[in-house]
Amino acid sequence: GQNIDQPTEMTATEGAIVQINCTYQTSGFNGLFWYQQHAGEAPTFLSYNVLDGLEEKGRFSSFLSRSKGYSYLLLKELQMKDSASYLCAVRDLRGGGATNKLIFGTGTLLAVQP
Amino acid sequence: DVKVTQSSRYLVKRTGEKVFLECVQDMDHENMFWYRQDPGLGLRLIYFSYDVKMKEKGDIPEGYSVSREKKERFSLILESASTNQTSMYLCASGSRYEQYFGPGTRLTVT
Repeated sequence: GQNIDQPTEMTATEGAIVQINCTYQTSGFNGLFWYQQHAGEAPTFLSYNVLDGLEEKGRFSSFLSRSKGYSYLLLKELQMKDSASYLCAVRDLRGGGATNKLIFGTGTLLAVQP
Repeated sequence: DVKVTQSSRYLVKRTGEKVFLECVQDMDHENMFWYRQDPGLGLRLIYFSYDVKMKEKGDIPEGYSVSREKKERFSLILESASTNQTSMYLCASGSRYEQYFGPGTRLTVT
């Protein structure tokens, strides 16, 4: 089966660093995506990992360990505007084909406090 | 700039009405998707399409159908709307390495 787990909520302080974890179980793993979603808005694409290791993009970094079924999103120098839900999604090629079907976690609601 | 547009941001329909939600992308992506998002349940895939006139059921296709006559356009159809289809509907299009969402349509069925 498929299962993606993220913490439901997290709180952090402006200027600090926060790590949002995601664990997954899937039979046809072929990539992991992170999205940011502000309340009432659509998710926006943050990062994509398919190989083990760290991908850095400005203040945001994403890490993947395929053997452990584990990823994290690291946010540095937190700003108030980073308050949002962060969604972890796994691409599953179960059933074959070249489609880009994603399975989403329920998201982590991050609150950044002054 | 990446662009996925949806025909309406907010929609109110009555039970039993036929509802069309349209999505257009300008990135020449082959893959397009329809999701619904509900509190506590996250994003759930309704249908997806990997080519013109090709479609596959996602995890919750019951009560929905889709149409993809042109590469850039993917429509979601509710044949007879019901109150349990009140939700946020999100269209997405993507390639192997990325997937972008439209702004969403908040549908209320009364």
